[in-house]
Amino acid sequence: NAGVTQTPKFQVLKTGQSMTLQCAQDMNHNSMYWYRQDPGMGLRLIYYSASEGTTDKGEVPNGYNVSRLNKREFSLRLESAAPSQTSVYFCASTDRTYEQYFGPGTRLTVT
Amino acid sequence: AQSVTQPDIHITVSEGASLELRCNYSYGATPYLFWYVQSPGQGLQLLLKYFSGDTLVQGIKGFEAEFKRSQSSFNLRKPSVHWSDAAEYFCAVGATGYSTLTFGKGTMLLVSP
Repeated sequence: NAGVTQTPKFQVLKTGQSMTLQCAQDMNHNSMYWYRQDPGMGLRLIYYSASEGTTDKGEVPNGYNVSRLNKREFSLRLESAAPSQTSVYFCASTDRTYEQYFGPGTRLTVT
Repeated sequence: AQSVTQPDIHITVSEGASLELRCNYSYGATPYLFWYVQSPGQGLQLLLKYFSGDTLVQGIKGFEAEFKRSQSSFNLRKPSVHWSDAAEYFCAVGATGYSTLTFGKGTMLLVSP
């Protein structure tokens, strides 16, 4: 099993450009999450999907959209990137045990 | 509102010395508690978890943690630290009925020779 996979690993965008971060899990988990990690801020939840067909805002949703494409895939879209969105983005998934499994992350720089 | 506090931003420990990382939480419900470790450039890996039962839980890499309900704490310990333990450590809390975990801001562990 690959667990949680994320693409791309690295990305550089110019201000105003758009992009989609992809996340997939092969553990048949119901719930999936997107976090951003910034120095000194820990992990902050952007959006989550408790089950297929539902999405909810987390702590820092502004400037982002998500799509739960199917049970396996949960994508994060930046419609108009801003330098404040420079961060490392992590996707995670969980089953009923609440233990979250994390992907390797996407390092995004917006210039 | 739920919250998790890791009071120490950085901790430096000599190799071979013991380690304790602190975690305090504020939660309305009976909590589920986790410790994760993140090596540089990597994702988060689960060290251990507490759901119920014995309040002293054992994890991977020789780590353990003790749940103390009266102190709302879940401190992580290791008797003898190795240089490879240098990483950032995150405490997280969840509860039945909540779809999300609340993470602390992390403690960076540095290991000196």
